[in-house]
This record gives sequence, structure tokens and C-alpha cells, in this order.
Amino acid sequence: QQQVKQSPQSLIVQKGGISIINCAYENTAFDYFPWYQQFPGKGPALLIAIRPDVSEKKEGRFTISFNKSAKQFSLHIMDSQPGDSATYFCAASTDKLIFGTGTRLQVFP
Amino acid sequence: NAGVTQTPKFRVLKTGQSMTLLCAQDMNHEYMYWYRQDPGMGLRLIHYSVGEGTTAKGEVPDGYNVSRLKKQNFLLGLESAAPSQTSVYFCASSNGQVHGYTFGSGTRLTVV
Repeated sequence: QQQVKQSPQSLIVQKGGISIINCAYENTAFDYFPWYQQFPGKGPALLIAIRPDVSEKKEGRFTISFNKSAKQFSLHIMDSQPGDSATYFCAASTDKLIFGTGTRLQVFP
Repeated sequence: NAGVTQTPKFRVLKTGQSMTLLCAQDMNHEYMYWYRQDPGMGLRLIHYSVGEGTTAKGEVPDGYNVSRLKKQNFLLGLESAAPSQTSVYFCASSNGQVHGYTFGSGTRLTVV
């Protein structure tokens, strides 16, 4: 049973466009929601994270939107660039990270 | 800065063979984790450790064993490899705070 559901599985965006990846969870005990970015042949690296007492967090072109009542959170990448092409994982945690299934983002020039 | 180092990077095993994957971290982190990554399934937690001498089961522990004899090392063992264990294995460590996860670069294991 997937505790954290992520969509879409893959995403193609034009350079300069907005990339949106969505995640949903069931366990209301989760208290930390990070996003990880993974390039081919590398391990995942923390991109941005949010706690449930905040509805939005922005770091540069990356924004997390969090809807506690709907148990959903999303990653928005503004002005998407070819260098953003990677696999993105959402995750949720109480004491250890549970990951979503990943989204492969391709940004074309 | 080495961070988290995994060895080997690649390995091919025959069904029934055994092997050990080594994870070493130089950040003095208390917590260490083993994940496996499969297409369409994300990263799934196999086992983890909250300190030297401790281990605990994650989401998919069957067929694997772990040991944490030294704080800086976390070993993942496969006693009798099966094709279903073909995967990319990632080790991670943290300082106890969830945002502090540092991942290694992975071990690609193929069981034939």
C-alpha cells in the first residue's frame, strides 16, 4: 500500500513553463514533507521541504503548496529550465522518510 | 568531503549467491538507512538504524539483513539472492532530523 501517492509519472514542459507535481497522503501523523531531486546515476538530494503548519514555502523558482485538510501537497517549478530535467520525489515523515513513486520531468528548450 | 560512500557501485550475482553492500559515512550521523529504488515504485525503505548496534525493519525487509557494528558503517546483506532483488540500492544517513538525509550514489545490483 503506497502511503504517499505521486502524480504524474512523467511530465514534459517547455522551457520557461511551469512544472507541477502533486502528492497525496493518508497518514495524518506525517509532520514533514520534503521534495527530493535526483539526476541520473546520482542519489536523491533535498530540494525543498515544508511542515504542515505552513501552507506555502518558496525557495527561488521552487514552491511547495500544502493543503492540510485535503492531505495534499504539490511542487511548482516556475520558469522551468532544461537543467531542471530530473526525477522528483515527494516524501512524508514522522520519524523516517516514506517516498512517493517519482516523477520524471523533461524540460525542452 | 566524502559524505556517504557506497561500495560496490555495480554487481552481478547469480541466483542463490550471497553478498554484502557497504555504506560508510563520515558525518558522524546517528541514523542510517537502506532504500531500494525500482521503476515506478520510488524508494522503499528496507532497514534502518538509529545508532551503533541498533537495526530496525522498514517497508520491505524480507530477504535482507543488516548490521551496524560501527557508527560510520551500515552493511546490507543478501543471504540468497533472488531475481526480485535486482534493483538500485541507496544508503542514506541523517543527523536525526529528517531534513538532514544525505544519500550515497547507489549500488546497481543485477541478479540473474
